[in-house]
Amino acid sequence: DGGITQSPKYLFRKEGQNVTLSCEQNLNHDAMYWYRQDPGQGLRLIYYSQIVNDFQKGDIAEGYSVSREKKESFPLTVTSAQKNPTAFYLCASSMELTSGANNEQFFGPGTRLTVL
Amino acid sequence: SQQGEEDPQALSIQEGENATMNCSYKTSINNLQWYRQNSGRGLVHLILIRSNEREKHSGRLRVTLDTSKKSSSLLITASRAADTASYFCATADRGSTLGRLYFGRGTQLTVWP
Repeated sequence: DGGITQSPKYLFRKEGQNVTLSCEQNLNHDAMYWYRQDPGQGLRLIYYSQIVNDFQKGDIAEGYSVSREKKESFPLTVTSAQKNPTAFYLCASSMELTSGANNEQFFGPGTRLTVL
Repeated sequence: SQQGEEDPQALSIQEGENATMNCSYKTSINNLQWYRQNSGRGLVHLILIRSNEREKHSGRLRVTLDTSKKSSSLLITASRAADTASYFCATADRGSTLGRLYFGRGTQLTVWP
């Protein structure tokens, strides 16, 4: 089946620990995105990547890091510098990241991170 | 903020009724998209309307776009309990070479059986 997967679904970590969230897609999409969702605030963009070995900061990148070593994978690390990391994290992908394109995004099921 | 704003924040209706959600935005756009999210799940793309289109249909969904007012509406006809979800609008800005989307905060729709 084609799609985008995230793991794990639920993640618990102690304060001060780094944690990495996995995102994999087999849709052959060039662009991938990480969003954070908090209650009542909609989706906020953390990082996005247009192509392998390239990524850009979104609106709330502080305290997060990413890598894009393979087209299929875009892992997100939540570092200890992120002051309020408890949230629902969503990964998405799209065919291309160009102006005018029908840039429908396909979302993974999300990872709920709770920092204790 | 470049985010769209949905209105109302919450909507509660009976099965069989129509549900209308609105979205306002601030920039010039290439297209506007609507997504649905069931509780605790990822978003699912519903429909895309381009800036040169005024209305689009998909099954029980009808989307309108008024670029002069920078607003869009999503109408779900003959709603079902299974339509209960959050609905988000997202805009793709004109002239952006990045193609990113800007999401609103969503409308929580509850359909009672």
